[in-house]
Amino acid sequence: GEDVEQSLFLSVREGDSSVINCTYTDSSSTYLYWYKQEPGAGLQLLTYIFSNMDMKQDQRLTVLLNKKDKHLSLRIADTQTGDSAIYFCAESIYGGATNKLIFGTGTLLAVQP
Amino acid sequence: GAVVSQHPSRVICKSGTSVKIECRSLDFQATTMFWYRQFPKQSLMLMATSNEGSKATYEQGVEKDKFLINHASLTLSTLTVTSAHPEDSSFYICSVLGRGGNQPQHFGDGTRLSIL
Repeated sequence: GEDVEQSLFLSVREGDSSVINCTYTDSSSTYLYWYKQEPGAGLQLLTYIFSNMDMKQDQRLTVLLNKKDKHLSLRIADTQTGDSAIYFCAESIYGGATNKLIFGTGTLLAVQP
Repeated sequence: GAVVSQHPSRVICKSGTSVKIECRSLDFQATTMFWYRQFPKQSLMLMATSNEGSKATYEQGVEKDKFLINHASLTLSTLTVTSAHPEDSSFYICSVLGRGGNQPQHFGDGTRLSIL
């Protein structure tokens, strides 16, 4: 079955690094994504990684993928108060006619000044 | 990435009203769009996949007669919540599948629906 789990809450101080973790169950996932959601808003795509990659870095964001353990993480360097939001990981799986996303439970990141 | 416009951003209406939500792809023609529902402090649940020129594909447990989806053009998909009731109150978000096989989905800003 399809199941994506995340820790519910993470609190960090401004300037520290944040690491948000995600585990998934479907080994056939082709791409894995990280989205950011601010209060009352839609989802903003942050970054994504192909399943045959181990790591991807994009400015302050680093994604690590351990395919064997089905574990995905997002590291935010030099976390700022503007990074406070809910972060969702999502896996892309084939849904019959097209790929569809299965979202994690979301992690609320609170950045303390 | 794709630019997605969702309208309206907020709706408050009486029980029994039907409400239409629009999702537009502004910068390219999208053959596939998705509709999600999000309850407070919860994740997004896929409701249906909207395919241009054909019937939408609904996820298990989603009533297709309750949530009507029309994808009549390559830039517009609509979700109509028919005879809405308070339990239909939720945050509805659409997304557009980017060009190519595994391109990311790009999301609209969502519609907050409140049924009194």
